[in-house]
Amino acid sequence: ETGVTQSPTHLIKTRGQQVTLRCSSQSGHNTVSWYQQALGQGPQFIFQYYREEENGRGNFPPRFSGLQFPNYSSELNVNALELDDSALYLCASSSRELGGAFFGQGTRLTVV
Amino acid sequence: AQTVTQSQPEMSVQEAETVTLSCTYDTSESNYYLFWYKQPPSRQMILVIRQEAYKQQNATENRFSVNFQKAAKSFSLKISDSQLGDTAMYFCAFMKHQYNFNKFYFGSGTKLNVKP
Repeated sequence: ETGVTQSPTHLIKTRGQQVTLRCSSQSGHNTVSWYQQALGQGPQFIFQYYREEENGRGNFPPRFSGLQFPNYSSELNVNALELDDSALYLCASSSRELGGAFFGQGTRLTVV
Repeated sequence: AQTVTQSQPEMSVQEAETVTLSCTYDTSESNYYLFWYKQPPSRQMILVIRQEAYKQQNATENRFSVNFQKAAKSFSLKISDSQLGDTAMYFCAFMKHQYNFNKFYFGSGTKLNVKP
């Protein structure tokens, strides 16, 4: 167990809908990153939040957005869902000293 | 840009034997980290081993060890005395050493099957 928890574990949405995924970071970690892992592929970086500010973003469109709260938990929001958004979404929690990250168990999103 | 390549999509090994998973990467950075993560069917990405690029000594964690060749940009994982619980996807990952920014670049993964 890493102390990083994500909810929900599974989700089915219809194309065009909006979805919010949640992540509670490990105690003491002030940085949260989100990754998208398509079936059979490695995770791809979406963005990272440090102390409630987005401080880095991967090659994802603006309909992927996020928030980080004062307790360092985080949300990933995806608007106007597309079929290709079907994937495992992983949250990673880290701190400056860690030199790495701990991952949650992921949310499996299916868009139909 | 950083890239990570895992050229073995799938590997099999008998229980108690040794297996080596390959990984190469490309970067112009001099200060970075390399990782091996394990992802079992439960989906959780579990850290297996970490290597800091400035350290010449290869990292070891119990049955897991790496062969880090910085000049060749190679980072292989050796699993000794393989156990059934080692069956999983294994991902090699690169992370640039950067203040307050931890972006991973992952390879495409190697599926390891440990057979009884």
